[in-house]
Amino acid sequence: TQLLEQSPQFLSIQEGENLTVYCNSSSVFSSLQWYRQEPGEGPVLLVTVVTGGEVKKLKRLTFQFGDARKDSSLHITAAQTGDTGLYLCAGANDYKLSFGAGTTVTVRA
Amino acid sequence: EAGVVQSPRYKIIEKKQPVAFWCNPISGHNTLYWYLQNLGQGPELLIRYENEEAVDDSQLPKDRFSAERLKGVDSTLKIQPAELGDSAVYLCASSLGDRRYTGELFFGEGSRLTVL
Repeated sequence: TQLLEQSPQFLSIQEGENLTVYCNSSSVFSSLQWYRQEPGEGPVLLVTVVTGGEVKKLKRLTFQFGDARKDSSLHITAAQTGDTGLYLCAGANDYKLSFGAGTTVTVRA
Repeated sequence: EAGVVQSPRYKIIEKKQPVAFWCNPISGHNTLYWYLQNLGQGPELLIRYENEEAVDDSQLPKDRFSAERLKGVDSTLKIQPAELGDSAVYLCASSLGDRRYTGELFFGEGSRLTVL
C-alpha cells in the first residue's frame, strides 16, 4: 500500500494539450518532491516544495503544494513529446521519503 | 562529475540462485539508498545508509536480502536465494541528506533482475 496516491494512473494526450497529475495523502509531509522517470533510467528530480500553499513554476511545469501539506499537483501547459515519462511524487518526513505509484504520461505527436 | 553507477544493468538467474548488485554513489554523498521498483510502481525503500551505518532497514527482507557499505562509499545488495517474486528493478540512490532532512536523491540507472 502506497502512502501517497497518484491519479490518474495513466494519461495519454495530444501534443499541445494541458495535463494535471495529482498526488494525495492523509499524512502531512515536511516537503514533497516530484521526479520524472524515463524507461530504463532512474528517476530525476524536477522540484521540491516545502511550504504549504507554495507554487513553483519551471517553464511549462507548475507545481503546487497543498495548504495542509498533504497533497500536491503537477500541471503541464502545452505538453511536448519530450514530457513523456513516469511522474512520481515523493513525500518526506524526517529522513523517510515515500514514493507514490506514479502517473504514466504519454504525449502523442 | 560521474553520477550514481550501478552494475550489472541486467541479470537473469534461476530461482534459488544468489545474486549481487553493486552501487557507487556520487562522490561526497554520505547517504545511500537501495530501492526496489516493480513494473508500473513507485520505488520502495529497502535500506538507507548514513555513511557505513544502516539507519533504516525496516523494509529489507532479512531472511534472504543483505546489504553492506563497509567503508561508507560503495555498497552491495545481495539476494540469497532468489525467488520468482524478486524480479524487479533495484535502484540505488545517493544524497547529501541527513537524519533530519531529505534532500534531492540522485538515482542510478538501476539493475533489472529476472528470476526464472
